[in-house]
Parts: sequence; C-alpha cells; structure tokens
Amino acid sequence: GEDVEQSLFLSVREGDSSVINCTYTDSSSTYLYWYKQEPGAGLQLLTYIFSNMDMKQDQRLTVLLNKKDKHLSLRIADTQTGDSAIYFCAESFSGGYNKLIFGAGTRLAVHP
Amino acid sequence: EAQVTQNPRYLITVTGKKLTVTCSQNMNHEYMSWYRQDPGLGLRQIYYSMNVEVTDKGDVPEGYKVSRKEKRNFPLILESPSPNQTSLYFCASSRGQGGGATNEKLFFGSGTQLSVL
Repeated sequence: GEDVEQSLFLSVREGDSSVINCTYTDSSSTYLYWYKQEPGAGLQLLTYIFSNMDMKQDQRLTVLLNKKDKHLSLRIADTQTGDSAIYFCAESFSGGYNKLIFGAGTRLAVHP
Repeated sequence: EAQVTQNPRYLITVTGKKLTVTCSQNMNHEYMSWYRQDPGLGLRQIYYSMNVEVTDKGDVPEGYKVSRKEKRNFPLILESPSPNQTSLYFCASSRGQGGGATNEKLFFGSGTQLSVL
C-alpha cells in the first residue's frame, strides 16, 4: 500500500540551511507536496512539485525529487525562528480521487 | 476570507456521550475530508466526500459517521466516543477531483482537540 516516511525531528541553528527528507512508495503519484503546520494551527500548503520535475525553487525553499529512489527533500535556506513548525510530506494517491497520503511529520526546531 | 471553520476548538467529553464536530467551508469546494492527527502517525483520513450526498470511508472510519447534506458543511459525528478517539481532528476541503495540484490543494481548518475520558 501507500506509505510516506519522514524523520520525526530536526534541529538547526538560525541562519543555517535545513533539509527535511521524505520517502514515498507510490511511483505513480502525480504531485508531491510539502505542508507546514505551525503550533495550534491547521496545515498550510508550502510548496509542491510535479512528478516529472527534478527540482523546484521558490525563494528560500528548494524541493528536490529523485523519482528513481522515491525520495523527496525540502531545503530551507537561511532558516529563521519563524520556520519552526512541523513539516509534512504528502503524495497524491493514484487511485483516482483527491486523497493525499501524509507522512508523520518532521518537527523542525530552530535555535539561536 | 477563504477559510475552513471547525467548531469547537477544544472538547472534553466522557465515554459514550454522542458528539458532533462541525466543519464549514466558504470556497464552494466539492471535496471535503476529515483527518485525525496522532503523534508519530501523521494525518490519517477518516472519511471524505466528493460532493453533496456522496461520502466514503477513509483509512480509519470505525467509530465515526459523517454527512454531506449541503456543499459547505461536513460534520463529523461520534455516536459513542471512546478514549482511543482522543486526538486532534482536522477538516479539509479542496476544489475538486484530480486535475492536478490546483484541484488537489487542501485547505485545512484550525483543528479540534478532543479528549474522551
């Protein structure tokens, strides 16, 4: 079945780059997503990548996709304290309806 | 403002006492869904609805009911809550079925923290 895996915690120093990794199983997923959840809030779409792309850049965010290894990563450049949150990787289910399969989420802690 | 509104934000109840968590969206979205979030497990889908009067089970539907009588509302009903339903619940909606990231983009409510004693 479908499965998305992420490491649960990441701690970085303010100003450094953060890299959050994710592996997925459904090779026919059309889109892969990164959602951000700030404390006490729902998830918000951060960025997404189409499955035929290798890389997508959006300001401080870089998404890398390795389809062969089914590996997705999110790089945040110049990490700020406001980036502290839980980041969820998600793949779109190929079964023909709107369903996203979410990973368990990576809690990013940014310290001075 | 485009939003998904859930109520209540916090709810403490006792085993067996029926409860309803409401969800409403103002974006005319066809697709709505309920998730529960548990530590280390991420978000798991409970039920979803692709349109009015069309609902289907997600991955963890046991102990829950939903209804979709109107496009904007998608309440989650726990007929006889049990302690293992203590969780953080999210309602989400999106424009429609398939068709790419624009249609698939989920808008989430702020969550309902439920504790069943």
